[in-house]
Amino acid sequence: NAGVTQTPKFRVLKTGQSMTLLCAQDMNHEYMYWYRQDPGMGLRLIHYSVGEGTTAKGEVPDGYNVSRLKKQNFLLGLESAAPSQTSVYFCASSTGSQPQHFGDGTRLSIL
Amino acid sequence: GEDVEQSLFLSVREGDSSVINCTYTDSSSTYLYWYKQEPGAGLQLLTYIFSNMDMKQDQRLTVLLNKKDKHLSLRIADTQTGDSAIYFCAESPPAYTNKLIFGTGTLLAVQP
Repeated sequence: NAGVTQTPKFRVLKTGQSMTLLCAQDMNHEYMYWYRQDPGMGLRLIHYSVGEGTTAKGEVPDGYNVSRLKKQNFLLGLESAAPSQTSVYFCASSTGSQPQHFGDGTRLSIL
Repeated sequence: GEDVEQSLFLSVREGDSSVINCTYTDSSSTYLYWYKQEPGAGLQLLTYIFSNMDMKQDQRLTVLLNKKDKHLSLRIADTQTGDSAIYFCAESPPAYTNKLIFGTGTLLAVQP
C-alpha cells in the first residue's frame, strides 16, 4: 500500500507561473486535505474535500484552487505563483473520524 | 477562536523522559492527536486520545489529558536519539469534516 503520494517532491517556480500539485491516495478515503507548513506556524489548512466532486475553503485559501474529480485524487493549483507561497505543502486523507494520513510533502520555492 | 499552543523547543539527554506539553482552546474537541515529523519527512501519527479519556499508554508513550485545563501532554520514556523530531499536537473540533487544528510544533533534541 502506497498510502498518500504527492508529486512532485520539489519544484522551483518563477513569480507569476502556474502549477498543479497532485495528491493520490489508495485507501479509499472520503476526506482529503491540503496544508502548508511554514516555520513557526505549524500546519495550516488551505482547502479540503469531504467527497468526490466537493471542495471547501480552509484557513488560508487565497491564491489556491483545488479539484476533486476522482475520489482518489486531490489537486492543488497555483494560478499565479507569488513568493509568499514558498512553503512545504502536505496532503492528507482520512475516513470518518479516523486519524489523517499524510504524504511526504512537496517543497515549493517561488523566486 | 481555535488556537493550539506548544513550546518551541525541548532538549533532553538520551535515556531520560521527555514531556511535551500542549494547550488547546476548543473544549468540545472529540479527539486529540500527537504527530511526529522527522527532518524532510511528512507527519507520522504517533498516538491519539478520545476526549472522554484521561490517559492512554502505548509502549514508551503516555498521553495525559486534562479537559478542565485543556491541557494535553506526551511523555516519552527512555528517550532515544531516534526520537529527535518535531512533535505536533492537534485537536479535532466536532464536525463531519474531520478537520484538524495543529499546534506550532515542539522540536525535541535528544543529546547522546
